[in-house]
Amino acid sequence: GENVEQHPSTLSVQEGDSAVIKCTYSDSASNYFPWYKQELGKRPQLIIDIRSNVGEKKDQRIAVTLNKTAKHFSLHITETQPEDSAVYFCAASSSGNTGKLIFGQGTTLQVKP
Amino acid sequence: DAGVIQSPRHEVTEMGQEVTLRCKPISGHDYLFWYRQTMMRGLELLIYFNNNVPIDDSGMPEDRFSAKMPNASFSTLKIQPSEPRDSAVYFCASSPLPFGVGETQYFGPGTRLLVL
Repeated sequence: GENVEQHPSTLSVQEGDSAVIKCTYSDSASNYFPWYKQELGKRPQLIIDIRSNVGEKKDQRIAVTLNKTAKHFSLHITETQPEDSAVYFCAASSSGNTGKLIFGQGTTLQVKP
Repeated sequence: DAGVIQSPRHEVTEMGQEVTLRCKPISGHDYLFWYRQTMMRGLELLIYFNNNVPIDDSGMPEDRFSAKMPNASFSTLKIQPSEPRDSAVYFCASSPLPFGVGETQYFGPGTRLLVL
């Protein structure tokens, strides 16, 4: 069945360092890949997304890369700040444009001041 | 727009009681999703609707769970009877269109359910 694997499950970095979270998806027909950030006790919120016709997308300190051949995509956060500490989820769209997202298990990012 | 609205925000109940969670999607969104989030199982899709019609309920744990969407602006998730293992945060999310032409899912604030 459809599956998204996310690694690592936890990540601790020093403030100012970069953080990278990687995801692998199984459905070659997936064409939309959002990333969500969930702060403690809050709802998941979209931070960046990428579509299958694009290899990379940047938004200030956040970037996402997509390798369709290998079926993996990554989130890159540069110059990390304590407020980046949260759980990050990757997701991939289910085939057939059903509107359904398959989520990864999440990565808990801790940025130490 | 107020975003996705969920009620109640917190619910504490006793085992065996009926629990009803409510969701109002963003106006104009054709897709509505119910998720459950726990530490052990992460974010699980329970069921989703398109234009008020249930499309995929394969994530619904068992017959104790049921969901309805009587109109475009309201959905309920019901658990009857509730059990302690149902304790979780339940999120509702909505989306305007399939991702090929539209946007992502927008989550509500969630309902934190505790079954004693």
